[in-house]
Formats: sequence, C-alpha cells, structure tokens
Amino acid sequence: SQQGEEDPQALSIQEGENATMNCSYKTSINNLQWYRQNSGRGLVHLILIRSNEREKHSGRLRVTLDTSKKSSSLLITASRAADTASYFCATDSSYKLIFGSGTRLLVRP
Amino acid sequence: EAGVAQSPRYKIIEKRQSVAFWCNPISGHATLYWYQQILGQGPKLLIQFQNNGVVDDSQLPKDRFSAERLKGVDSTLKIQPAKLEDSAVYLCASSPSGNQPQHFGDGTRLSIL
Repeated sequence: SQQGEEDPQALSIQEGENATMNCSYKTSINNLQWYRQNSGRGLVHLILIRSNEREKHSGRLRVTLDTSKKSSSLLITASRAADTASYFCATDSSYKLIFGSGTRLLVRP
Repeated sequence: EAGVAQSPRYKIIEKRQSVAFWCNPISGHATLYWYQQILGQGPKLLIQFQNNGVVDDSQLPKDRFSAERLKGVDSTLKIQPAKLEDSAVYLCASSPSGNQPQHFGDGTRLSIL
C-alpha cells in the first residue's frame, strides 16, 4: 500500500519559475523524505525532514511539514531544465519507507 | 564513493521462466533493500536486510520470490516462476543503517512476454 500521495500528478512549468509539489499521508511518521528520479535511473535522496521540524532548506529546495494536517510540500525555486524528473515523497514510520506515486515535473527551456 | 551496483540493466523473459538480479551495495552499508517499481508508481518495498538478516519481507510474494544476502554484502533477488504482472523495474538500495537516507542503484528493468 502507498501512504504518501503527491499532488499534482504532473506539472509543467517554464524555466525560472518555481515548482511546488504536495504530499499527504495517513499515519504518524518519524520523518518524511523527498527523492528525485530521472528517467531510467534510480532514486536520488534530496532532503529529510523529521517529525519535530516544520521547515528545511537545501540549496534551491524548501520543504515544509505539517504533522497536524499530515502533509508536506516541496518547493523548487528558479527551476532549470535539469530539474525535469519525477519527485517522490516517502514516509518513514518504522525504519521502512513507503513511497507515494510521484509528481512528474517538466521544466520547459 | 562507488554507488550501488545492479545487474543486469535489462532482462526479457517469458512467463513461467526464472530470473535473478544482483546487487552490490555501497561499502559499509549495513542495510539493503529491494523494491519493485511498476510503471507510473512509486517503489514498493519487497524485502529489507540488516547485515545478512531479514528485517521485513511482509510484501514479498514468497511463493515465487526469494532473496538472500550472503555474508552481509551483496544480494540476489530471484523470481521463479515469473508472471506477466512481475514486469517492473527492480531497484536495490542501501543505507548505513535503517533510519538514514537510502542510496539507490539504477535498477533492472524486467519485461515478461
């Protein structure tokens, strides 16, 4: 079963714009992680936010976590064509990751 | 550091045949995972090893899937016999321990005819 559900399923933006992806989940978590997957490749870890954290930054990435709403968002600022990929949220409840179905991001040059 | 290595990259077999995948994790990583990723979906955990012991195999179809991690290093995942529904990408990942970010290999894309 998949706990995290991303929204939107697909997103198309112009280079330089910001991209926002949302993730909702159902049960309590230890942490929530975001991964990127380029076509035909494995997943790459982007950022981890713990259940007692509300916001975290890494370069052009900003992640928020609202445990009361059981939701998280990933913001990519000043997007680049190289950001084109699928983005997955994954919840860690018992040292086991459960992935959502992902958001497919297309950044047009 | 070298990443997670998987082979083969692609495999095409007929239903009811058997197939095996191999994974070499990052050196020193105690935890190893096998995931199944069906097209358009997120990865689904099949089995998790801590060193050479199984931590979680609750979603492994044990009537046809098996996995082992001898000596706590590399691992093999086997499917016998394969069904059409097994067509997917099989991803291996590793982490230093069970509560840290995972490093993924590029996967094996399995097609069942």
